[in-house]
Amino acid sequence: DSGVTQTPKHLITATGQRVTLRCSPRSGDLSVYWYQQSLDQGLQFLIQYYNGEERAKGNILERFSAQQFPDLHSELNLSSLELGDSALYFCASSPRGQARYYNEQFFGPGTRLTVL
Amino acid sequence: DQQVKQNSPSLSVQEGRISILNCDYTNSMFDYFLWYKKYPAEGPTFLISISSIKDKNEDGRFTVFLNKSAKHLSLHIVPSQPGDSAVYFCAASDNNDMRFGAGTRLTVKP
Repeated sequence: DSGVTQTPKHLITATGQRVTLRCSPRSGDLSVYWYQQSLDQGLQFLIQYYNGEERAKGNILERFSAQQFPDLHSELNLSSLELGDSALYFCASSPRGQARYYNEQFFGPGTRLTVL
Repeated sequence: DQQVKQNSPSLSVQEGRISILNCDYTNSMFDYFLWYKKYPAEGPTFLISISSIKDKNEDGRFTVFLNKSAKHLSLHIVPSQPGDSAVYFCAASDNNDMRFGAGTRLTVKP
């Protein structure tokens, strides 16, 4: 158990819909990262928040957005869903924000999103 | 845009032998490299990392080698154990971004 929680565990929805994935970081961690793992691809870094502010941005689509709240939990919003958005979405947290500390990331168990 | 590539989707080795997983990158700005291990139905877990100022980092049975001129890194597991069977992702980062390879599924046979 990494201490990072993600809800829901599974999500099934239809094309065109909007969903929200939630992540609670480990106690004391200020950084939250979101990743997408599609069926035939590796992990893709989407976005990082550090203490409520966006810190780094990866391959995140414009239809996706995220935020980190004052209590440090984070939400990833996916809208106008397409079949290709079906994937595992992982959240990770770490105490600090700099790239030098990526080795301190702890990953949650993931949310499996299925778009029908 | 695959800046980090793991060209072998799978690797099978005998227990006790060496496992060598390879990773290539294209962006010379990457200066910190990591390996993660992932079991089914779990999130990835950090395994070992290396900074670009080094060419080798060792942690028990795991050693990561970095060849900056070739933009290549490798993970050596010696001796391999059945519990090492998992998907291994390499990742490369600079201060603003982190890219992962597609993963290599390692199977260690008893």
